[in-house]
Amino acid sequence: GDSVTQMEGPVTLSEEAFLTINCTYTATGYPSLFWYVQYPGEGLQLLLKATKADDKGSNKGFEATYRKETTSFHLEKGSVQVSDSAVYFCALTLGSNYKLTFGKGTLLTVNP
Amino acid sequence: DTGVSQNPRHKITKRGQNVTFRCDPISEHNRLYWYRQTLGQGPEFLTYFQNEAQLEKSRLLSDRFSAERPKGSFSTLEIQRTEQGDSAMYLCASTGSGNEQYFGPGTRLTVT
Repeated sequence: GDSVTQMEGPVTLSEEAFLTINCTYTATGYPSLFWYVQYPGEGLQLLLKATKADDKGSNKGFEATYRKETTSFHLEKGSVQVSDSAVYFCALTLGSNYKLTFGKGTLLTVNP
Repeated sequence: DTGVSQNPRHKITKRGQNVTFRCDPISEHNRLYWYRQTLGQGPEFLTYFQNEAQLEKSRLLSDRFSAERPKGSFSTLEIQRTEQGDSAMYLCASTGSGNEQYFGPGTRLTVT
């Protein structure tokens, strides 16, 4: 079946450091790819998405590029802030039902 | 647009009792999804509705679980004869014409 694999956390960085969270997927077709973020005590929020190969999703300084050849959708940010501390989930949808398949999530802690 | 709302936010129940959760999607969103999230894991798909029709159910949804969306607006998820393994966060999401899902804050169920 379809699946998403994320790098295991937790990830701890200092403010202004560069962030990469790896995400790879397995799917029988060409999925749409998403990054969701869950801040402490809050619900899941869509961070960015990409719907086809080579698309780049971006939002709030975060970026991810849909790489079909490596089946990857790595999340990057050039300079993290304390307020970016959260759990980040990579996810995919495939087919007309749009149900999401999530990775296990990566906890990011940014220290001042 | 007030977003997706879920009630209650927390529920503590004794093993063997029945519980019911409610989800109010974003108005005019025709698709509604239920997911379950356990500690340290990503959300897992349970079921989804298009308008009032329940179109897909996961194998995770045992016979003790039932979901309804009687008028194509709000939805309820009922768990009968709760077990300790049912303890989790139950998430609801909705989507309109696109494939971006908007999540509610979740209902945290604790079965003692």
